Amino acid sequence: GAVVSQHPSRVICKSGTSVKIECRSLDFQATTMFWYRQFPKQSLMLMATSNEGSKATYEQGVEKDKFLINHASLTLSTLTVTSAHPEDSSFYICSALQTSEGHNEQFFGPGTRLTVL
Amino acid sequence: DAKTTQPPSMDCAEGRAANLPCNHSTISGNEYVYWYRQIHSQGPQYIIHGLKNNETNEMASLIITEDRKSSTLILPHATLRDTAVYYCIVRVSITGKSTFGDGTTLTVKP
Repeated sequence: GAVVSQHPSRVICKSGTSVKIECRSLDFQATTMFWYRQFPKQSLMLMATSNEGSKATYEQGVEKDKFLINHASLTLSTLTVTSAHPEDSSFYICSALQTSEGHNEQFFGPGTRLTVL
Repeated sequence: DAKTTQPPSMDCAEGRAANLPCNHSTISGNEYVYWYRQIHSQGPQYIIHGLKNNETNEMASLIITEDRKSSTLILPHATLRDTAVYYCIVRVSITGKSTFGDGTTLTVKP
């Protein structure tokens, strides 16, 4: 299957700082990527859909000014958590959509563990 | 996307087949059934998907009932490394947008 990477894998930051997480599709182009958040012992929650060259679409309840998404190229989407607070500590997972033979397949990155002190 | 219902947990003996059920009674005609699994602290891994017919790949088999209201993921010879949370998702292929339920925690025991 196709490969999606995330960087960094782990990040610890102080409260009030901003953190950027990168999501890359390594061997395919992805016009659409997704960002999920997962708290301990919970399922993945979709935060937003990232579309190359246009604004991201956020799910209900997700603050777009706090979670800035940029999808500037066909292989890279970034999620910036602005003014991070301890309650933003979570496991952030991206996925990229690969289209082939009329079928779309979703491949996930390994996740980024964010800890806000 | 249609909602799915899965048992919260299941155990399986190593080397035996693991059969994981999923109910999706409100599935639409153009929605596929996808299965992913998530091993602790990793991103979800694609396992298999299907529309109407049963499917098999190197990892698993997917059995979809004729009315498409339920399906079963079969891991033919479970190993300890198959211990994970298994998610059944139904979605329209073209959107790619997956909504995750609570999944089934499969524990494979020696």
